[in-house]
Amino acid sequence: NAGVTQTPKFQVLKTGQSMTLQCAQDMNHNSMYWYRQDPGMGLRLIYYSASEGTTDKGEVPNGYNVSRLNKREFSLRLESAAPSQTSVYFCASSERTGSYEQYFGPGTRLTVT
Amino acid sequence: GQSLEQPSEVTAVEGAIVQINCTYQTSGFYGLSWYQQHDGGAPTFLSYNALDGLEETGRFSSFLSRSDSYGYLLLQELQMKDSASYFCAVRDNTGGFKTIFGAGTRLFVKA
Repeated sequence: NAGVTQTPKFQVLKTGQSMTLQCAQDMNHNSMYWYRQDPGMGLRLIYYSASEGTTDKGEVPNGYNVSRLNKREFSLRLESAAPSQTSVYFCASSERTGSYEQYFGPGTRLTVT
Repeated sequence: GQSLEQPSEVTAVEGAIVQINCTYQTSGFYGLSWYQQHDGGAPTFLSYNALDGLEETGRFSSFLSRSDSYGYLLLQELQMKDSASYFCAVRDNTGGFKTIFGAGTRLFVKA
């Protein structure tokens, strides 16, 4: 039981490049989330998926797209990376969006130069 | 909109008790959670309050007053390993359930 896994752990991109962050959970959770965390700040919700087949915008969706591939997997795509997207990205899951406990993956540290 | 305020840093001595406060403003309040995050690590869930009062989980307790839009996390018998960042988070049901996180309180535990 690995919980929530994320790949890659680290990534460096040049401005304008694209990439996809992968996330998978093995807890049979319905809801999944993508957050970004910048120094000295809390977690800000980028997108979430309440259940398989649905996605919704969070607080800071601009510059990102997501895909809920199946119940286990939720990916985050940066189409044209910008230095402002340098951050640590966390994927999380919960039984459903009404659940108060979220389980987080180890994070992806992304630097855009 | 939604906002949460918590102190940026707190320092305490090993063995002591420390309280981390959180005030919030949200239109669709549904509950207050606390998460712990060690440097370089992922946030992990500590506690949750949906109703007024105190919830106790071992050395950690969390309190909520909905009328005051206020809560706190109480850490007792502090240990060096408690040095971490602590985030309060509000569950908001406006336009679908979302969790909004505060900026975090960095706790330093000194020997």
